[in-house]
Amino acid sequence: GENVEQHPSTLSVQEGDSAVIKCTYSDSASNYFPWYKQELGKRPQLIIDIRSNVGEKKDQRIAVTLNKTAKHFSLHITETQPEDSAVYFCAANSGYALNFGKGTSLLVTP
Amino acid sequence: KAGVTQTPRYLIKTRGQQVTLSCSPISGHRSVSWYQQTPGQGLQFLFEYFSETQRNKGNFPGRFSGRQFSNSRSEMNVSTLELGDSALYLCASSLVGGVYGYTFGSGTRLTVV
Repeated sequence: GENVEQHPSTLSVQEGDSAVIKCTYSDSASNYFPWYKQELGKRPQLIIDIRSNVGEKKDQRIAVTLNKTAKHFSLHITETQPEDSAVYFCAANSGYALNFGKGTSLLVTP
Repeated sequence: KAGVTQTPRYLIKTRGQQVTLSCSPISGHRSVSWYQQTPGQGLQFLFEYFSETQRNKGNFPGRFSGRQFSNSRSEMNVSTLELGDSALYLCASSLVGGVYGYTFGSGTRLTVV
């Protein structure tokens, strides 16, 4: 299937700092880019999504940016808190499927 | 309202056996998708159903199959189990169909021994 590359695979930040996770995709037809948060032993939960007609979207401390020309999109978390610690997955649609990145394990230390 | 319900939560099977997993979507959601989650490969798409029709299938062997019933409940079946089929199987339902606004279930943890 189409590839979604996600970096970094692990990220450790101090509480209060910002965290940035970056993804690239290959399917030119992709027009929907969601981000999921998965805490240990729990289900993935949608935290924010963006469609290709929008360049940036914010929701409180989280924001997503999209550069469709470069096929890049990024998740920004500001003022990180220990409860932000989880695995984050980016994804891009391909038809009726989502292609997921391999995930970023974010650790926020007090 | 109830979330996406997957049963059973845990399953242990031996190689060569077959298994059926069940997913009940959120009431009113007509689209159900299935994903396999493993530590090495992440989340990989299996198939998507809408109104009892499979609209998309991922790159998995024919041993993996599924179906959707008229009440939108879905089942997936894996025949001739292999050790590599050990994974967390997640289903997701969507109100508007396809990939938008997935709500995932808690998954079925399948272990093949």
